[in-house]
Amino acid sequence: KAGVTQTPRYLIKTRGQQVTLSCSPISGHRSVSWYQQTPGQGLQFLFEYFSETQRNKGNFPGRFSGRQFSNSRSEMNVSTLELGDSALYLCASSWIAGGPEGKFFGPGTRLTVL
Amino acid sequence: GQQVMQIPQYQHVQEGEDFTTYCNSSTTLSNIQWYKQRPGGHPVFLIQLVKSGEVKKQKRLTFQFGEAKKNSSLHITATQTTDVGTYFCAGPETGNQFYFGTGTSLTVIP
Repeated sequence: KAGVTQTPRYLIKTRGQQVTLSCSPISGHRSVSWYQQTPGQGLQFLFEYFSETQRNKGNFPGRFSGRQFSNSRSEMNVSTLELGDSALYLCASSWIAGGPEGKFFGPGTRLTVL
Repeated sequence: GQQVMQIPQYQHVQEGEDFTTYCNSSTTLSNIQWYKQRPGGHPVFLIQLVKSGEVKKQKRLTFQFGEAKKNSSLHITATQTTDVGTYFCAGPETGNQFYFGTGTSLTVIP
């Protein structure tokens, strides 16, 4: 069974631009969550989707948004990029939110904002 | 909101020594999960604990959930170089928003 895939793997943008990251969950998984990982802040929760509905949202500004499609694939968008948005963005999928089998993470998208 | 702290932040051990990381939550957790992230990799799920006082073992790894369900620990016996990485605990607040702990980075010196 294929794992969680994220595209692109690396991205370089400049301040003020916007970016869209994509995540394809494991087949059959309906819950997708997004995390931002930085050396200083650790793993910060962005949002979680289940069956195309946003279930939870972390403490990030409105510049960060996401959506989930009917096939469970998910995208997150960051508008008006800032230098501080440079981070590894991780997507994780699971059968249901908070399930006992844990979350399966993708390899992440490394975003660099210049 | 919920805060999940882990100590220590960093730990260097000689190969063969034991290692323990502690996870403390400001609120009661319905369950707790543990993940391992190798350098340059992504978090990988290790285990979930649900019951108060629960203890689970995976080979050299022992996981424990506190009686009050506000703390947890991961103990590795006789560390090996393959144990290198950052260990995170994670617990859901109501509504299943997962908060990851601050992580403990383990270095094993051969």
